[in-house]
Amino acid sequence: DQQVKQNSPSLSVQEGRISILNCDYTNSMFDYFLWYKKYPAEGPTFLISISSIKDKNEDGRFTVFLNKSAKHLSLHIVPSQPGDSAVYFCAASEGLDSWGKLQFGAGTQVVVTP
Amino acid sequence: DVKVTQSSRYLVKRTGEKVFLECVQDMDHENMFWYRQDPGLGLRLIYFSYDVKMKEKGDIPEGYSVSREKKERFSLILESASTNQTSMYLCASSFGWSGNTIYFGEGSWLTVV
Repeated sequence: DQQVKQNSPSLSVQEGRISILNCDYTNSMFDYFLWYKKYPAEGPTFLISISSIKDKNEDGRFTVFLNKSAKHLSLHIVPSQPGDSAVYFCAASEGLDSWGKLQFGAGTQVVVTP
Repeated sequence: DVKVTQSSRYLVKRTGEKVFLECVQDMDHENMFWYRQDPGLGLRLIYFSYDVKMKEKGDIPEGYSVSREKKERFSLILESASTNQTSMYLCASSFGWSGNTIYFGEGSWLTVV
């Protein structure tokens, strides 16, 4: 059974508006969370991460929020740009020293329209 | 820039064939990984290696084996390909233990007919 779930397979948003991507997890041992971005015909690239000791991490237009009690995290993109159109994967690991073994969600396809 | 190169982008193989997927990284990374990506399932870890000749099973190792004879090269082997192994295969490497240091290749699309 998948331990990381992204229940929205797709999201369409207008350029300049906020994109909110959601991710839920079931394993309470997860304590490090990441978002990856993937363009067609390319491998995923690291976007932003958060450890369980924080509830928010910001990097430019990207902010990740973590709600440990709800086992929920979200990625906010503000403002959304056409270049943000991609598939976004949420991932989680048990510990920072996890040998890079990650559990991934199914991904959310984001389309930013002009 | 880190480069993870997967030699075959698109392959079509017959059921029962032995299939080799090759991956090379140029940054002297200790760790290398093979994932497969399927619609609705995301990326799932097949095998990983933290050193030459060392390997560890991931979440879905059945039907696969791996080889790491040199630090820069990590091969995924399908001993007898089956149609349920039709997928996108992603190789990755990392210089640390955390996910933000993982670099992925562009992927290999394998179709088994």
